[in-house]
Amino acid sequence: KNEVEQSPQNLTAQEGEFITINCSYSVGISALHWLQQHPGGGIVSLFMLSSGKKKHGRLIATINIQEKHSSLHITASHPRDSAVYICAAVGGATNKLIFGTGTLLAVQP
Amino acid sequence: DGGITQSPKYLFRKEGQNVTLSCEQNLNHDAMYWYRQDPGQGLRLIYYSQIVNDFQKGDIAEGYSVSREKKESFPLTVTSAQKNPTAFYLCASSISGGDTGELFFGEGSRLTVL
Repeated sequence: KNEVEQSPQNLTAQEGEFITINCSYSVGISALHWLQQHPGGGIVSLFMLSSGKKKHGRLIATINIQEKHSSLHITASHPRDSAVYICAAVGGATNKLIFGTGTLLAVQP
Repeated sequence: DGGITQSPKYLFRKEGQNVTLSCEQNLNHDAMYWYRQDPGQGLRLIYYSQIVNDFQKGDIAEGYSVSREKKESFPLTVTSAQKNPTAFYLCASSISGGDTGELFFGEGSRLTVL
């Protein structure tokens, strides 16, 4: 079992829908990153959080340390949000990044 | 504009050849990382460096080598000893080590062994 699990693996939504991507981890962590990987392969950092909630535009990230769970929400989704979303936890025995396998999001017009 | 530049974007290699992937950053970051991405798997750490002239093996260092002679540069050599080198390679940097700072990634290099 992976130490960082994401769900769903694939997600198709209609433009305008509210989207939630989940990330669960089984190790103690000091922080968690949410990343966006574009179809060409480049990765952009969206959030880094260690508690509570962060918001940037239409994106919201939350983390519950006690439940070892984080969510990424996208409000009013748009086709340009189509990408792979990756969570990465800082922790485990080595205090290094442990990556989830990603969620492939397709937003249809 | 500050950022990370990886080159080449696409690279083809014959079996038995060494190839070097370039990674340059102008963000004045101390920490730099090389990751490998394979379909259906999370990114895996190959090597990382937290300071000039020092680097550490990651989880899958066998068949790879790096150098960190300058703060801005962290090239990765894929040697002929790497049994399955076809993959997507990503370079990243952060202002300091410990993985608690914001990460900046390059656009990646796709290596195909013919």
